[in-house]
Amino acid sequence: KNQVEQSPQSLIILEGKNCTLQCNYTVSPFSNLRWYKQDTGRGPVSLTIMTFSENTKSNGRYTATLDADTKQSSLHITASQLSDSASYICVVSDRGSTLGRLYFGRGTQLTVWP
Amino acid sequence: EADIYQTPRYLVIGTGKKITLECSQTMGHDKMYWYQQDPGMELHLIHYSYGVNSTEKGDLSSESTVSRIRTEHFPLTLESARPSHTSQYLCALGQGETDTQYFGPGTRLTVL
Repeated sequence: KNQVEQSPQSLIILEGKNCTLQCNYTVSPFSNLRWYKQDTGRGPVSLTIMTFSENTKSNGRYTATLDADTKQSSLHITASQLSDSASYICVVSDRGSTLGRLYFGRGTQLTVWP
Repeated sequence: EADIYQTPRYLVIGTGKKITLECSQTMGHDKMYWYQQDPGMELHLIHYSYGVNSTEKGDLSSESTVSRIRTEHFPLTLESARPSHTSQYLCALGQGETDTQYFGPGTRLTVL
């Protein structure tokens, strides 16, 4: 069964600290993996997208890694800010269908305290 | 980035009412999607369209219907709303070879 599992479910850190969010997936075949940030009551916003051949990609203070062999990805946030408080969603796309189906994780709820 | 709009942002209605959630985009993208998301849960695809007059049901069974008469608009309709329809509805468009999803702000629907 194709699945995307994220951990931890929730995380609280102090402003200025770093953190790492995890995503494990069983989706096969694999096309690409995306990380989204979703503020409360808003739609998700794309942070990074990585294909099979990419193992790291950065977007400002966000750095995503991908290990396609172990089917794991992480999102590292550096020097956290209050505005980083949001849900971070891992999404994996397969290439096995015309639709290129997306599999969504339930997200990690990050809270940054001052 | 892509401009995608949803109205209304919030809607509270009574059971049995017919409602239409609007989704529009200005960039002429062919691929558009509707997702349903309950609090703390993953997004579920309920409808998608690859262009005018093309609509398909998604992974999650939904009592809603959609239409795509014009490229710019992809409205979602509930003929008779029920409390079980209470959820957040997110519209998205797909862009590029990787079909990167760009989401609208969402409509938070509450059915009493």
